[in-house]
Amino acid sequence: DAGVIQSPRHEVTEMGQEVTLRCKPISGHDYLFWYRQTMMRGLELLIYFNNNVPIDDSGMPEDRFSAKMPNASFSTLKIQPSEPRDSAVYFCASSQGVDNEQFFGPGTRLTVL
Amino acid sequence: GQQLNQSPQSMFIQEGEDVSMNCTSSSIFNTWLWYKQDPGEGPVLLIALYKAGELTSNGRLTAQFGITRKDSFLNISASIPSDVGIYFCAGRETSGSRLTFGEGTQLTVNP
Repeated sequence: DAGVIQSPRHEVTEMGQEVTLRCKPISGHDYLFWYRQTMMRGLELLIYFNNNVPIDDSGMPEDRFSAKMPNASFSTLKIQPSEPRDSAVYFCASSQGVDNEQFFGPGTRLTVL
Repeated sequence: GQQLNQSPQSMFIQEGEDVSMNCTSSSIFNTWLWYKQDPGEGPVLLIALYKAGELTSNGRLTAQFGITRKDSFLNISASIPSDVGIYFCAGRETSGSRLTFGEGTQLTVNP
């Protein structure tokens, strides 16, 4: 298996622009997680899905952030409008079962100027 | 959000030395996990612990689930240059609850 795939790997954008991050989970995994990693706050869970349905979005910072999972093999995290404080590395992870090992993707490094 | 207290924040050691790092929490956890993150990559699971007192090894790595269920440690024996990276602990309070991650320990191994 190719593992969790994320794109793009790097994104540089200007404040106010819309940003869309993409994730393809490992085939057969029924849970998908979006995390954000910063120096100040470490690794934080933003939202997770079970069988394409959002279960817990309490970590989503504000209404500018939204996530979707239209099918079992694809999820997006969208920021609109983006702000400099959104600069971080965003990770997608997937697992088979909520308590089982989460496999992380390589991350998307987002820079908002 | 809630974070675990992980220490030390960074370590600089010579190749061949042993390393120890630990995490403490104010909450009781039913699962402790240890991850390693290489530069430009996502965290990779090293060891998972599910029972208080459990001691588990993975090659040169050994981790223990504290008896109080509020702490865990990770030991690396005979360190080698490829051990360089950031090590994270993570805990889960109950089945199905979200993982809480520690702040990480940056390990540097000098050849």
